Amino acid sequence: DIQLTQSPSTLSASVGDRVTITCRASQSVSSWLAWYQLKPGKAPKLLIYKASTLESGVPSRFSGSGSGTEFTLTISSLQPDDFATYYCQQYNSYSLTFGGGTKVEIK
Amino acid sequence: EVQLLESGGGLVQPGGSLRLSCAASGFTFSIYAMAWVRQAPGKGLEWVSGISGSAGRTYSADSVKGRFTISRDDSKNTLYLQMNNLRAEDTALYYCTKDQYYFASWGQGTLVTVSS
Repeated sequence: DIQLTQSPSTLSASVGDRVTITCRASQSVSSWLAWYQLKPGKAPKLLIYKASTLESGVPSRFSGSGSGTEFTLTISSLQPDDFATYYCQQYNSYSLTFGGGTKVEIK
Repeated sequence: EVQLLESGGGLVQPGGSLRLSCAASGFTFSIYAMAWVRQAPGKGLEWVSGISGSAGRTYSADSVKGRFTISRDDSKNTLYLQMNNLRAEDTALYYCTKDQYYFASWGQGTLVTVSS
């Protein structure tokens, strides 16, 4: 299975900050990577797919980049609604796998 | 609007069985692949199993292979997950999701607790 390692595991930031989360794959997944946002008591929300394509309805402050084994999710200006946990997921091969998550906390 | 409604979760003893269901609406169910993803308490997301459209190929994570079986009834717009020989580590919130590779639509989840 392809392993995904996210860093950092926890991130403390303030409203308005630029935030970057990294996801590294144990082998190339090309551009077959997605990003999700999770909040307690809510279903996961797809933010980005194919590494950099913004899902419909997702604010443009979210962006994704990368290919191969290194990817980033960037929030250009953190908003109060963005405090949550973020996961990357590869779909280059079965079994599909998720990263360990990055919790974005209020500083 | 896509709607996915899971049911069938509950408390079960180790070694027991449970069948989860996911009633789908708002899209042409038969042509879409579907999947189950779970989240154990305090843990991250884990893909469990997937099935292609029209009950084609199935795929499962190594952690559940041989114990869990994914299936679908296109006449009822319903996805299933038959879970046998359950273990404590299967305790999780189980989500039904639409599509095969990445997941834009999720249900609210059904909780499975494996404990004696």
